[in-house]
Amino acid sequence: DIVLTQSPGTLSLSPGERATLSCRASQSVSSSLLAWYQQKPGQAPRLLIFGASSRATGIPDRFSGSGSGTDFTLTISRLEPEDFAVYYCQQYSSSPKTFGQGTKVEIK
Amino acid sequence: QVQLQESGPGLVKPSGTLSLTCSVSGVSISSSNWWSWVRQPPGEGLEWIGQIYHNGTTTYNPSLKSRVTISVDKSNSQFSMKLNSVTAADTAVYYCAMLWFGEFFAYWGQGALVTVSS
Repeated sequence: DIVLTQSPGTLSLSPGERATLSCRASQSVSSSLLAWYQQKPGQAPRLLIFGASSRATGIPDRFSGSGSGTDFTLTISRLEPEDFAVYYCQQYSSSPKTFGQGTKVEIK
Repeated sequence: QVQLQESGPGLVKPSGTLSLTCSVSGVSISSSNWWSWVRQPPGEGLEWIGQIYHNGTTTYNPSLKSRVTISVDKSNSQFSMKLNSVTAADTAVYYCAMLWFGEFFAYWGQGALVTVSS
């Protein structure tokens, strides 16, 4: 199985700041088959990014994804109040599909 | 728009069978997408359980394969999951989701909390 390790575990930032979240895979994720999700308390996850860098429909352009191979990054250019949540990466390069353990972005 | 809705008992006894159904609307269950179950224990991360295509082809997480069965009912636009021999470790919010062409989770249900307890 591909193990995804997200860092940091918690990111404490203020609105308007830039957030940089990391997702590292235990082996190469082929063709950048990696997605990012946002989850708020009591809600289902929401797709943000697929194919490592393509934004899903309706996702603001302050969210961007990058990376390849084993190292991937989700960047939120300027945090809005509604962006404080938990973020998960997920690989679909090989079965079983696996998720990272999540990064919580909290208000400083 | 695409909507998924889980339904089923919220409480299951240890050693029993957990059964959930997902009702799909806004998209044909016979489209080129796959249909999946994901679970999340309280306060923890996400675990993929398995997936099914409209022709009945399934893929399961090896960690649960011996206990899980996913099926599809095209006539009612639903798919279902059964997890047997449950323990307290199976207590979780269970989500159904649409896998875009079998890849990433494009749409999710709201989730159903299932507690395993006597």
